[in-house]
Amino acid sequence: KAGVTQTPRYLIKTRGQQVTLSCSPISGHRSVSWYQQTPGQGLQFLFEYFSETQRNKGNFPGRFSGRQFSNSRSEMNVSTLELGDSALYLCASSFQGRDEKLFFGSGTQLSVL
Amino acid sequence: GESVGLHLPTLSVQEGDNSIINCAYSNSASDYFIWYKQESGKGPQFIIDIRSNMDKRQGQRVTVLLNKTVKHLSLQIAATQPGDSAVYFCAENRGLPDSSYKLIFGSGTRLLVRP
Repeated sequence: KAGVTQTPRYLIKTRGQQVTLSCSPISGHRSVSWYQQTPGQGLQFLFEYFSETQRNKGNFPGRFSGRQFSNSRSEMNVSTLELGDSALYLCASSFQGRDEKLFFGSGTQLSVL
Repeated sequence: GESVGLHLPTLSVQEGDNSIINCAYSNSASDYFIWYKQESGKGPQFIIDIRSNMDKRQGQRVTVLLNKTVKHLSLQIAATQPGDSAVYFCAENRGLPDSSYKLIFGSGTRLLVRP
């Protein structure tokens, strides 16, 4: 069974631009979460989706948004990029949600110049 | 965002020895915990999980211990191998009762295995 797939693997953008990252969960998994990883702040929760609905959200500004499609694939969008948005963005999936194993993809490394 | 402040302690062990990695969590209401291993350039890899109604759980070469009284979690790796070298994170789930998932990660411990 294929793991969590994230595209693209690397991305370079400039300040003020917007970016869309894509995630395909493990087949059959309906819960998709997004996390941001930086050297300074570690791993931080962005949001979680289940059946196309956002169930939980972390403490990030409104510039960070996401969505989930009917096939459980998910995208996250960051608008008006700032230098501090440079990070590894990780997607994770589980079958239905909490108390189940959560599996991560390899991430998208975003660099904002 | 919510996260433990970043300080990455390092544990150096001899190949073949046992390793113990510790983690303190903050929310006494958290009821599900996971240990992850992250190698350079990769996403976190699931190692083992434990629910709050358990004190101990064993996997292949790994054991997780949970002490709810002092809000402490530990990961024991038996017969540590060079391939175990990585950063290890504990995470607590603070999702809502509606089954949502919201992991709060610790700052991580770097494990170095000396040949």
